[in-house]
Amino acid sequence: AQSVAQPEDQVNVAEGNPLTVKCTYSVSGNPYLFWYVQYPNRGLQFLLKYITGDNLVKGSYGFEAEFNKSQTSFHLKKPSALVSDSALYFCAVRPNTGRRALTFGSGTRLQVQP
Amino acid sequence: DAGVTQSPTHLIKTRGQQVTLRCSPKSGHDTVSWYQQALGQGPQFIFQYYEEEERQRGNFPDRFSGHQFPNYSSELNVNALLLGDSALYLCASSLPGPLSTDTQYFGPGTRLTVL
Repeated sequence: AQSVAQPEDQVNVAEGNPLTVKCTYSVSGNPYLFWYVQYPNRGLQFLLKYITGDNLVKGSYGFEAEFNKSQTSFHLKKPSALVSDSALYFCAVRPNTGRRALTFGSGTRLQVQP
Repeated sequence: DAGVTQSPTHLIKTRGQQVTLRCSPKSGHDTVSWYQQALGQGPQFIFQYYEEEERQRGNFPDRFSGHQFPNYSSELNVNALLLGDSALYLCASSLPGPLSTDTQYFGPGTRLTVL
């Protein structure tokens, strides 16, 4: 069975500072990894994904994520946080073959203070 | 380019009733997946439809059923509603393929409240 852990319920960061939202995963075989963002009373918005290749993946709105196979991690990063980045962030995983259902973490709320 | 659309936005039902939620996929997509997101939790996979058949199912009881139409739109039906069915129901669409690297794109969701 596959699983995702997001160890922090909330991350607080000052505007202009770098941010990191952590994610570790467990899956049989090689993973496909995704980050989504959810604003209040809205659906999930795709940010970026890792399929294969370069371990550093760049996505929307200046976000990037680093895939680390040995640590089974896929942390989301941004060099300079904006107040508008405040939202709920979800990491998701699925194996690269067969079942295509996504397994999500419990989410991390990011608060960027002005 | 229209994204994934869902209707209705909100719905209030009482225990024991039945509900139908609707989803239209993103243009060019023919695979639809449904997820349930309870308050304070991540989405949980219910099932996925492709070529009008249920292809994959998560750990949900038979009270949850679905359908996909020839135009790729989909319905989620829940019978005998329980209080615990109160949640945000999300529809996602994607492209098919046995080794697809497709991204699932989500709609805004339907907020179901069961009283």
